[in-house]
Amino acid sequence: DAKTTQPPSMDCAEGRAANLPCNHSTISGNEYVYWYRQIHSQGPQYIIHGLKNNETNEMASLIITEDRKSSTLILPHATLRDTAVYYCIVRVFFNNDMRFGAGTRLTVKP
Amino acid sequence: DAGVIQSPRHEVTEMGQEVTLRCKPISGHDYLFWYRQTMMRGLELLIYFNNNVPIDDSGMPEDRFSAKMPNASFSTLKIQPSEPRDSAVYFCASSLGTFTGNTIYFGEGSWLTVV
Repeated sequence: DAKTTQPPSMDCAEGRAANLPCNHSTISGNEYVYWYRQIHSQGPQYIIHGLKNNETNEMASLIITEDRKSSTLILPHATLRDTAVYYCIVRVFFNNDMRFGAGTRLTVKP
Repeated sequence: DAGVIQSPRHEVTEMGQEVTLRCKPISGHDYLFWYRQTMMRGLELLIYFNNNVPIDDSGMPEDRFSAKMPNASFSTLKIQPSEPRDSAVYFCASSLGTFTGNTIYFGEGSWLTVV
């Protein structure tokens, strides 16, 4: 599976959009981009995933560049409860294991 | 619907003792994963099963660790003998494998302290 690079930490003001970048320059054509988050002391929680098209659900939006070498997770109106570590993972679709990197620690501030 | 259920939530044990962590996956899921999380190493995949069969145990740190899945609704992770460096949060997770990719659902974790 391709390796990902994320900034170690980011801050965001409450109510503003949080844009979390992820670089995956070695991604191959059959690899999906997944985002999970882990709120302190809890198990990781699935957020969203995509292959090449932008995706949106009730939690977030995922923007994947046309060359698929990077992506951005967008939390449109961040709240204090969105403070967590966010993990970007790329994975071949038929691989059923999920391996986590260091992630980005997002702190939403009042 | 019930999520992934793990027990115990917290355990403190003495070095050398046997530790058994338990997991009940989401009903109908055919993949089960065991992860370990520490400050130093982050979230590591230890082993995963498909239809109760171990598929990849390359993440199991050493022979003191063993995992079993006797049926579709139960799995154990055993550490014998336990050591202080095994102190960590152990997560169990499950998923429904699909051809187009799948999402993994995690339990709340078992917090293990070995003294």
